[in-house]
Amino acid sequence: DTGVSQNPRHKITKRGQNVTFRCDPISEHNRLYWYRQTLGQGPEFLTYFQNEAQLEKSRLLSDRFSAERPKGSFSTLEIQRTEQGDSAMYLCASSSGTTTNEKLFFGSGTQLSVL
Amino acid sequence: AQRVTQPEKLLSVFKGAPVELKCNYSYSGSPELFWYVQYSRQRLQLLLRHISRESIKGFTADLNKGETSFHLKKPFAQEEDSAMYYCALNLSPLSTSYGKLTFGQGTILTVHP
Repeated sequence: DTGVSQNPRHKITKRGQNVTFRCDPISEHNRLYWYRQTLGQGPEFLTYFQNEAQLEKSRLLSDRFSAERPKGSFSTLEIQRTEQGDSAMYLCASSSGTTTNEKLFFGSGTQLSVL
Repeated sequence: AQRVTQPEKLLSVFKGAPVELKCNYSYSGSPELFWYVQYSRQRLQLLLRHISRESIKGFTADLNKGETSFHLKKPFAQEEDSAMYYCALNLSPLSTSYGKLTFGQGTILTVHP
């Protein structure tokens, strides 16, 4: 499968623990996005990278959240001191091309459950 | 703040019937609008975007700035159209990326045989 890969698919953790998710984009894509989706809602933008630079962060991304893309390839999203409200599907997407023809390719997501 | 509203959480039609999935947005500028679709056990994927003015799988969508709407239409629904549909907007040209999207809550379309 040459699409966007996310690991793990599921993560169950206890409140207060730290978790880290990984996203491997399509290899030639220079842009990478993180979205969060809670039950019954559409995806909500969290942050995005162009190559290794984090260009924009949503206000949803509290101080407990940090995202990195150290070499402009894979990305990690870490949540520290998890809370029950963090339970959600975390989606990664990648894209390439110019702004006007940009098309997002989504991964299957990581489902986080905080007990 | 920008917002996308999809008033119908569920929509059921019979095969061969016309279908319209409603989408309204709130933004005073000139946004770029998209429809994304998620079929059962598949990933979220782009269906169409208004700047392309294309028809994908028989679906079309027209941006109506006066009514701030971007409804998705298909004249004859097929069973394989059953899926979750999301309307989304991008604040072009204010945004640096077409990938930063505001999504609606989604509409589950079921096409009965």
